[in-house]
Amino acid sequence: DVKVTQSSRYLVKRTGEKVFLECVQDMDHENMFWYRQDPGLGLRLIYFSYDVKMKEKGDIPEGYSVSREKKERFSLILESASTNQTSMYLCASGLEGSSYNEQFFGPGTRLTVL
Amino acid sequence: AQKITQTQPGMFVQEKEAVTLDCTYDTSDPSYGLFWYKQPSSGEMIFLIYQGSYDQQNATEGRYSLNFQKARKSANLVISASQLGDSAMYFCAMRGHYGGSQGNLIFGKGTKLSVKP
Repeated sequence: DVKVTQSSRYLVKRTGEKVFLECVQDMDHENMFWYRQDPGLGLRLIYFSYDVKMKEKGDIPEGYSVSREKKERFSLILESASTNQTSMYLCASGLEGSSYNEQFFGPGTRLTVL
Repeated sequence: AQKITQTQPGMFVQEKEAVTLDCTYDTSDPSYGLFWYKQPSSGEMIFLIYQGSYDQQNATEGRYSLNFQKARKSANLVISASQLGDSAMYFCAMRGHYGGSQGNLIFGKGTKLSVKP
């Protein structure tokens, strides 16, 4: 079974802190994604990566950066956390090149910024 | 621009009855894929079913079926014989275009389904 894991299920940070959210997948997928989920807004794409060291901005990249040094690991970084970044963060991975590109999701990290 | 619309924020269904969750989409692409995901209260996203735009038949997976009406741009999820464990958020999604073929998924805002005993 494909497994996508995220470093924390729940995280509480203070305004201004640097926050790292880690995501690891074990199926050798080329593509990895970070989404943010807020009530009434669904999931919105923050960043995605289609290869090691490659990244593309999604719909809401402001205030975030990412890192992909190894194929299996994709990190989301909040350089200076703010209260409006309190949200559920979901990581996903998927295969490249197929129209049937199911994405496999991690369990999510509920981040609270105080 | 691509867009997914789910107009039912919440729905109730009696256990063992069937329920339809609505999804309409907008795209100018001739080829596209549509997905449904389930999100229980625990938070993980569970893939349910996929429909390709050129598929001749409506997709089915166990108790889940997709009522695909291409001309109307709708892709409604039908759950037959609802169970208490079906209570969850349901998201309709479409392949996006970031990075060309490496597309992300564009999600609707979701429908919260509650199954009553």
